[in-house]
Amino acid sequence: QVQLQQWGTGLLKTSETLSLTCGVYGGSFSGDYWSWIRQSPGKGLEWIGEINRSGSTNYNPSLKSRVTISIDTSKEQFSLKLNSVTAADTAVYYCARDRGAQGLDSWGQGTQVTVSS
Amino acid sequence: QSVLTQPPSASATPGQTVTISCSGSSSNIGGSTVKWYQQLPGTAPKLLIYNNDERPSGVPDRFSGSKSGTSASLAISGLQSEDEADYYCAAWDDRLSGPVFGGGTKLTVL
Repeated sequence: QVQLQQWGTGLLKTSETLSLTCGVYGGSFSGDYWSWIRQSPGKGLEWIGEINRSGSTNYNPSLKSRVTISIDTSKEQFSLKLNSVTAADTAVYYCARDRGAQGLDSWGQGTQVTVSS
Repeated sequence: QSVLTQPPSASATPGQTVTISCSGSSSNIGGSTVKWYQQLPGTAPKLLIYNNDERPSGVPDRFSGSKSGTSASLAISGLQSEDEADYYCAAWDDRLSGPVFGGGTKLTVL
């Protein structure tokens, strides 16, 4: 069973760049999409974007101008960068494996990201 | 405001059956498969149902899903205290080109 472990900066100031990384352990890194999702009290669960092993990405149009998702296959890690953050980006951020019709079947533990002025 | 619509809360007593609804549109539920996730307090969501009505290994058969048109439902039978959690529906959305979620239903076991 694949396990995801994520890490990154939890406290940011307005206009800074959010940076999180997710490591994939105990399973194949290929053949799936690797996603970032966030959860805030005001907006619930929100899909941020995804990447596959080849580096092909899809982003939520509402965040696309500020988001970059990248992958390092040698380390079996993928990363999220969200620039120009505001208080509206305060949320718990999760990484997850997306198996399409089979759903998001493995999740990271979540990282609370708080943006303050 | 979530793309998929769920009731904010539901409650039932142990042993009863509770059903949670999820309403969408032709661009998501109507044209895709539905997933359900369970989120216990302080933890990440866990996949409960995929492909409308299939359970991952390890999920009890007390949990069942169904879909009709642009709506879906999650039923939990033989309710137990440990089922108290938030439940979210999800589906691929053609307009977003990504998954969309319901706002979540908080289940209370009385």
